[in-house]
Amino acid sequence: QSALTQPPSASESPGQSVTISCTGTSSDVGGWNFVSWYQHQPGKAPKLMIYEIDKRPSGVPDRFSGSKSGNTASLTVSGLQAEDEGDYFCSSYAGRNNWVFGTGTKVTVL
Amino acid sequence: QVQLRESGPEVVKPSETLSLTCTVSGASLSSSDYYWGWIRQPPGKPMEWIGSIGYSGSTYYNPSLRSRFRISVDTSSQRFSLKLASVTAADTAVYYCARQRGTAFPTIDFWGQGTLVTVSS
Repeated sequence: QSALTQPPSASESPGQSVTISCTGTSSDVGGWNFVSWYQHQPGKAPKLMIYEIDKRPSGVPDRFSGSKSGNTASLTVSGLQAEDEGDYFCSSYAGRNNWVFGTGTKVTVL
Repeated sequence: QVQLRESGPEVVKPSETLSLTCTVSGASLSSSDYYWGWIRQPPGKPMEWIGSIGYSGSTYYNPSLRSRFRISVDTSSQRFSLKLASVTAADTAVYYCARQRGTAFPTIDFWGQGTLVTVSS
């Protein structure tokens, strides 16, 4: 199985929106509705931001939203804030308790 | 709050066995609601799912990996472990433990901070 493809970097000014894509195949992203997004800041555990394509865990701001079309999932961060800087990666269930992860995107707030 | 913490050696010699332990607090390893997994990230590469274990000891491994991995669980001590035999430099990575919530609607919801393991003589 191959990693899901994400852009290496994304940047935008405070208050603007940034969207990160996550492209897989029909065996993972396209075949299951269990796509998650994580924020990973240096020295910290990855934090779940979106699960099941578009659901937010308790405590995650509604500035974070997710969607999926075909084999590509997307994470949008609206009203970008300095605290949103960090690495973001996606994951997709691939069946039989198996998971595949994205290549990661570094988000910079200009 | 669910917390996971990896522990183990920082350096392992080639051909030896790597052993890591994950200590869990805030959730019970005896619950049938969760699986407990291991993930690794080699330098400059994406995260890679290794496998997971349920409370009963049932295990699932990434079919893309060779069968050098073994995951076990000790529910009484709230720990689960990973063993990797015959390590090489390619096994150098940050190793994470994590919780998979649910089976019908699976989500990896909590992670440890990760521990860097270097394979070197």
